[in-house]
Amino acid sequence: AQSVTQLGSHVSVSEGALVLLRCNYSSSVPPYLFWYVQYPNQGLQLLLKYTSAATLVKGINGFEAEFKKSETSFHLTKPSAHMSDAAEYFCAVKLNNAGNMLTFGGGTRLMVKP
Amino acid sequence: GAGVSQSPSNKVTEKGKDVELRCDPISGHTALYWYRQRLGQGLEFLIYFQGNSAPDKSGLPSDRFSAERTGESVSTLTIQRTQQEDSAVYLCASSLESFTGELFFGEGSRLTVL
Repeated sequence: AQSVTQLGSHVSVSEGALVLLRCNYSSSVPPYLFWYVQYPNQGLQLLLKYTSAATLVKGINGFEAEFKKSETSFHLTKPSAHMSDAAEYFCAVKLNNAGNMLTFGGGTRLMVKP
Repeated sequence: GAGVSQSPSNKVTEKGKDVELRCDPISGHTALYWYRQRLGQGLEFLIYFQGNSAPDKSGLPSDRFSAERTGESVSTLTIQRTQQEDSAVYLCASSLESFTGELFFGEGSRLTVL
């Protein structure tokens, strides 16, 4: 069963435009949710995480994500894209009964046009 | 180095051969994970080590796959009798505790099976 789904394997925005990367999870119990980013030729790094505290989570580089239980979503946003934001973004979930395993979505490659 | 180190970075092998992939985690990290990323797909959990506990092998796709870890240091992922479908990037990650949500990833080992 798919636990986390990222809509759109590729997203292209213009520099300065809003970035919206979608993530939906399937769980009856709110899980822990994460966004990781992979810049070209680098390993994945944690961007931000939701662990049942505030529903709006702020991360590095101006990104933030909002946990919406009613929509089972954890979309990633940034008000104004920068060329350096071009990367692959992965949503991940730790289900409460999944031990220590993170389940990752398929990834979304963000392209930023000048 | 300060990060997770993986070797080799690239490996090309012939179908039927065995391969070994190595991961050197961050010093002091008790947890170590292996993931696989096939082209255009998300990260697939393979195996998890935590200290001296029995590893969680629930993600290993077949008995051709095995992994070892010596104490809280280096881990080796072994794939026997490689098949073309084993072609992927194999990612290693480590973390400080059994679960914080923040995994520190290496740059991966790209395996190509001809």
